[in-house]
Amino acid sequence: KAGVTQTPRYLIKTRGQQVTLSCSPISGHRSVSWYQQTPGQGLQFLFEYFSETQRNKGNFPGRFSGRQFSNSRSEMNVSTLELGDSALYLCASSLTGTGNSNQPQHFGDGTRLSIL
Amino acid sequence: KNQVEQSPQSLIILEGKNCTLQCNYTVSPFSNLRWYKQDTGRGPVSLTIMTFSENTKSNGRYTATLDADTKQSSLHITASQLSDSASYICVVSGSYGGSQGNLIFGKGTKLSVKP
Repeated sequence: KAGVTQTPRYLIKTRGQQVTLSCSPISGHRSVSWYQQTPGQGLQFLFEYFSETQRNKGNFPGRFSGRQFSNSRSEMNVSTLELGDSALYLCASSLTGTGNSNQPQHFGDGTRLSIL
Repeated sequence: KNQVEQSPQSLIILEGKNCTLQCNYTVSPFSNLRWYKQDTGRGPVSLTIMTFSENTKSNGRYTATLDADTKQSSLHITASQLSDSASYICVVSGSYGGSQGNLIFGKGTKLSVKP
């Protein structure tokens, strides 16, 4: 069974640009969550999608948005990039979501975004 | 505020030695507690998931314990190997929703195993 696939693995952008990151969950998984990971901050929750609906959203500005398609694939978009957006962006999928569930989350290897 | 605190922040041990990582949490309600291993440049990989009724769970040389009364968990690594060098992340799960989502992450313990 293929794992969670994130593309691209590395991305370099400049301030003010926008970027779209992609996540393909494990087949059959309907929940996809996105996280930002920076040194010293750990994983910060961005949002969770389940069956194309956003369930929860973290404390990130509106420049960060996402969506999920009918095949459960998800995209994350960041507009008007800032230097502080440099981070590893991870997506994770699970069968039924993260609320009161004993299902493990399966993470992709992330997209390393660098802003110049 | 729901929080997960891990200690130590970093740890260096010699190959073959044992070590124990700590996780304290102040979250409620509680559904389960998870330990993840994250190698450098990779995504986290699940090691164990424990519900409040489970005191201990093993995965090879990794053994996690949970005391739901004191809200403490530990991850014990036996006979460490160089491949154990990684960050270990403790995560508490519950139906919190809102801006924190349903998973509260600790900042991790960075373990280095030296030959």
